[in-house]
Amino acid sequence: AQSVTQLDSQVPVFEEAPVELRCNYSSSVSVYLFWYVQYPNQGLQLLLKYLSGSTLVKGINGFEAEFNKSQTSFHLRKPSVHISDTAEYFCAVSALSGNTPLVFGKGTRLSVIA
Amino acid sequence: DVKVTQSSRYLVKRTGEKVFLECVQDMDHENMFWYRQDPGLGLRLIYFSYDVKMKEKGDIPEGYSVSREKKERFSLILESASTNQTSMYLCASSPDRGQPQHFGDGTRLSIL
Repeated sequence: AQSVTQLDSQVPVFEEAPVELRCNYSSSVSVYLFWYVQYPNQGLQLLLKYLSGSTLVKGINGFEAEFNKSQTSFHLRKPSVHISDTAEYFCAVSALSGNTPLVFGKGTRLSVIA
Repeated sequence: DVKVTQSSRYLVKRTGEKVFLECVQDMDHENMFWYRQDPGLGLRLIYFSYDVKMKEKGDIPEGYSVSREKKERFSLILESASTNQTSMYLCASSPDRGQPQHFGDGTRLSIL
């Protein structure tokens, strides 16, 4: 079985500052990894995904994440945040094979301060 | 773009009522999922379905059932609503197991 730990429940950051949202996963098999964003009163929207290939993945809205297999991490980064990035961010993992759906972390609330 | 439509954005029901939450997707996806989202707990999987007329229990199926009579529609049923089922309910679909899921906008359900 897979599990996901998002190490910070809340991250406040000033506008135009860089941000990193941390995600660690646990799995005995190879995995796919995802980051989703949820704006207030909306469903989840896919930010980026790692399926295979380059470990640095670029997503929408200037976000990127790096897959680190040895540290079982998939941290999300943005070099300069905007007020509009205020939202909740979810990391998710699934096994490459087998009959298992995505497993989500508990989320990190990013608050961008003007 | 994939469209996942949940029938209601907000719903208020009374304890003991039978409640139906409907979800429709328009991309012929094989897989559909129901989650509930609560503050501090993230998304918890209630039920999922990998094919028509097929269902599997997720992490918290107690008090819920589902129906998938057609590929595009996945219904969540609260057999006898209770106050602890007050939550945000999210439906999702995906084309293949382990692939990105596409989410609806959610139904905020209040049980009084």
